[in-house]
Amino acid sequence: AQTVTQSQPEMSVQEAETVTLSCTYDTSESDYYLFWYKQPPSRQMILVIRQEAYKQQNATENRFSVNFQKAAKSFSLKISDSQLGDAAMYFCAYRSAGGSEKLVFGKGTKLTVNP
Amino acid sequence: KAGVTQTPRYLIKTRGQQVTLSCSPISGHRSVSWYQQTPGQGLQFLFEYFSETQRNKGNFPGRFSGRQFSNSRSEMNVSTLELGDSALYLCASSAGQLGVTEAFFGQGTRLTVV
Repeated sequence: AQTVTQSQPEMSVQEAETVTLSCTYDTSESDYYLFWYKQPPSRQMILVIRQEAYKQQNATENRFSVNFQKAAKSFSLKISDSQLGDAAMYFCAYRSAGGSEKLVFGKGTKLTVNP
Repeated sequence: KAGVTQTPRYLIKTRGQQVTLSCSPISGHRSVSWYQQTPGQGLQFLFEYFSETQRNKGNFPGRFSGRQFSNSRSEMNVSTLELGDSALYLCASSAGQLGVTEAFFGQGTRLTVV
């Protein structure tokens, strides 16, 4: 079974600074997808960024980028120029490429952005 | 395009009762997944439905069940409620096709069992 580990329960960053959230995963599969989701206090989960395991190039979405290290099974999220609206719970998630939409989530990292 | 709609948003039930939660996916999406979110266990997968068939199931007791209708709307039912069933229940909708299909989440139903 696949597992996802987020070792940082809480992180804080100053507005306009950069922060990196860590995620490691365990799988025996070679083809899969990785995601970072954001859950603000409003509770609605929002996709931040996704990465296909077969792609070597790291995904980027505006101020958000990932460092995907397939051999190390590591998938960290970097948030640049942090904004107050980035404050939320961030979840790392894994999905097999086999057809099911099942997501395996880490426990999450609570990000606080200080003005 | 309307998002994923979950009803009701809040629910208070008594131990031993049963409850039904509803999820209307994004139009055209055929896959609906359900998750239970608690402070202690985090987000745990309950089950996934695709075209009215259960495609995958998590490690939950048989008291948790679900179904999907021909219009892709899904319901999940919990019978004989226990205090530990208190949680935020999230529904996710996706196209369900091969490839990286994004899962869109509803705002969840907050279930409190007293």
